[in-house]
Amino acid sequence: SQQGEEDPQALSIQEGENATMNCSYKTSINNLQWYRQNSGRGLVHLILIRSNEREKHSGRLRVTLDTSKKSSSLLITASRAADTASYFCATGESGGYQKVTFGTGTKLQVIP
Amino acid sequence: DAGITQSPRHKVTETGTPVTLRCHQTENHRYMYWYRQDPGHGLRLIHYSYGVKDTDKGEVSDGYSVSRSKTEDFLLTLESATSSQTSVYFCAISGGGDRSSYEQYFGPGTRLTVT
Repeated sequence: SQQGEEDPQALSIQEGENATMNCSYKTSINNLQWYRQNSGRGLVHLILIRSNEREKHSGRLRVTLDTSKKSSSLLITASRAADTASYFCATGESGGYQKVTFGTGTKLQVIP
Repeated sequence: DAGITQSPRHKVTETGTPVTLRCHQTENHRYMYWYRQDPGHGLRLIHYSYGVKDTDKGEVSDGYSVSRSKTEDFLLTLESATSSQTSVYFCAISGGGDRSSYEQYFGPGTRLTVT
């Protein structure tokens, strides 16, 4: 089944720096989403970008989508220690039940 | 945010025993999902529901069954638990209000250990 592949698998940065995570996928999508998961918790929805959009912002988050390259990136600006978490991309396909397929995630560590 | 609970939160059970996990939502969302999360695999869909008594299989459904007799409850049953089903199980919901039905909201998870 289609699955987003995040890159890198792990990322360690200093507080205040920007963090960039990438996601590649294989087939046509309706939308792409990013989720955050703090250790031991459920996933939290961050942002959704539709296939006809190229860029979207939400607070310190910036998401880009390039459907020609089947890739997306998540940029977190001015990172904080509280941003330490795993980040997952999820591709949404058109279909009877709004199928969403999750990638394996990028583990981000922000060092104070 | 979405009101979604899972029970139990932790369970240890023996190989061969049946186990039922419960997901309860107070948001009247149409879609409900069960995922398992394992290191190196991300989240994998077990089963999903698109309405009361309407369910279908996901990519890792073998050994699992589900039921949804009410909008708010989605049960996951391991018919005869095996050690390979040791995992963290997440319930998710979507399809409510004015939000995209693709946006999913997750419960806190159930950590299941099969010995």
